[in-house]
Amino acid sequence: DTGVSQDPRHKITKRGQNVTFRCDPISEHNRLYWYRQTLGQGPEFLTYFQNEAQLEKSRLLSDRFSAERPKGSFSTLEIQRTEQGDSAMYLCASSLGQGDNQPQHFGDGTRLSIL
Amino acid sequence: AQSVTQPDIHITVSEGASLELRCNYSYGATPYLFWYVQSPGQGLQLLLKYFSGDTLVQGIKGFEAEFKRSQSSFNLRKPSVHWSDAAEYFCAVSITGGGNKLTFGTGTQLKVEL
Repeated sequence: DTGVSQDPRHKITKRGQNVTFRCDPISEHNRLYWYRQTLGQGPEFLTYFQNEAQLEKSRLLSDRFSAERPKGSFSTLEIQRTEQGDSAMYLCASSLGQGDNQPQHFGDGTRLSIL
Repeated sequence: AQSVTQPDIHITVSEGASLELRCNYSYGATPYLFWYVQSPGQGLQLLLKYFSGDTLVQGIKGFEAEFKRSQSSFNLRKPSVHWSDAAEYFCAVSITGGGNKLTFGTGTQLKVEL
């Protein structure tokens, strides 16, 4: 169990640029989640996958955001045409897919700063 | 929709003192309840969870939490705080049929005075 890995840890970019983050879940976990956390707030759910299928997307996930999990292993989260309001910590988590009470294991996050 | 309230934004305790962090939830049935801890610049670590059964649950690092259905609460406690416990603490819920996604409170920042 190597834990959930996220890359990069920090990303600084100019407004209007596209960014992509990667998440590698715990290998036997078939559910993968993305959350966004802004300063002084708890994480907010963005989207989740069961294997390669994206099963739910939050209203927070505008059409500039897209997430993929092509082979049911790692996932990517892309933000197009970044805006100042996108500055946040993006957290990835994974869990086993049996039921709705499985503990989620979190990565250390990607901190995005928009200049 | 379910929601979670953590009424205390900041709490300061002296090292060795007892600690109680409050968490209230709003949901029509009993949700699945979790406490996570987050150190600066890090992800979240699970402290403990409640699904059913015994309403007093034990977690890691000497923490425990008690589920009180009548009060819709799931407060986190520790009898003697250590300086290394300084961090931010989040209460979270998930619900049946919700895909296991978590709804978090706004967190409580714990400061420990030596």
